[in-house]
Amino acid sequence: AQSVTQLDSQVPVFEEAPVELRCNYSSSVSVYLFWYVQYPNQGLQLLLKYLSGSTLVESINGFEAEFNKSQTSFHLRKPSVHISDTAEYFCAVSEASSASKIIFGSGTRLSIRP
Amino acid sequence: NAGVTQTPKFQVLKTGQSMTLQCAQDMNHEYMSWYRQDPGMGLRLIHYSVGAGITDQGEVPNGYNVSRSTTEDFPLRLLSAAPSQTSVYFCASSFLRPGTVGNTIYFGEGSWLTVV
Repeated sequence: AQSVTQLDSQVPVFEEAPVELRCNYSSSVSVYLFWYVQYPNQGLQLLLKYLSGSTLVESINGFEAEFNKSQTSFHLRKPSVHISDTAEYFCAVSEASSASKIIFGSGTRLSIRP
Repeated sequence: NAGVTQTPKFQVLKTGQSMTLQCAQDMNHEYMSWYRQDPGMGLRLIHYSVGAGITDQGEVPNGYNVSRSTTEDFPLRLLSAAPSQTSVYFCASSFLRPGTVGNTIYFGEGSWLTVV
């Protein structure tokens, strides 16, 4: 079975500062990895995903995540955050062979200070 | 295009009452799921369905029932509500298996349930 650990429940940063949201996963088989974002009072939206190929994946709004198989990590980074990035971010994993369900981490709340 | 529609958005129940959370999607998606979201625990899968007539248990199925009589609808039933079921519930759907290459999962806007 797969599991996902997000060590930081909350991450406060100042606007225009860099940020890293940590995600570690556990699985005995090949996995797909995802980051989802949830803005206040809304459902989740896919931010980016790693399926295969290049270990660095990017989203359209400046976030990127790097898959590190040896460290079983998929940390999310942004070099300069904006107030509009305030949201909760969820790391998620699915088993590559079946992909019938996705397991989510506990979430990291990113709060941006002006 | 309505996407994934959940009703009701807010509900207060008394312990022991039963109720059904409705979920409907108009995208002809085969795969539908119910999650609950609790502070510090993220989203946990309750039940999921890979097509009409087929359902399976997720991580936290106890106290909940589901059925999938049509492709469009995937209701979640609480048979005897308990305070531990106070949570935010999200329905999701996708055309392919949730973790498939190129797939997109669509989430509803959530249903806030309080059991007193």
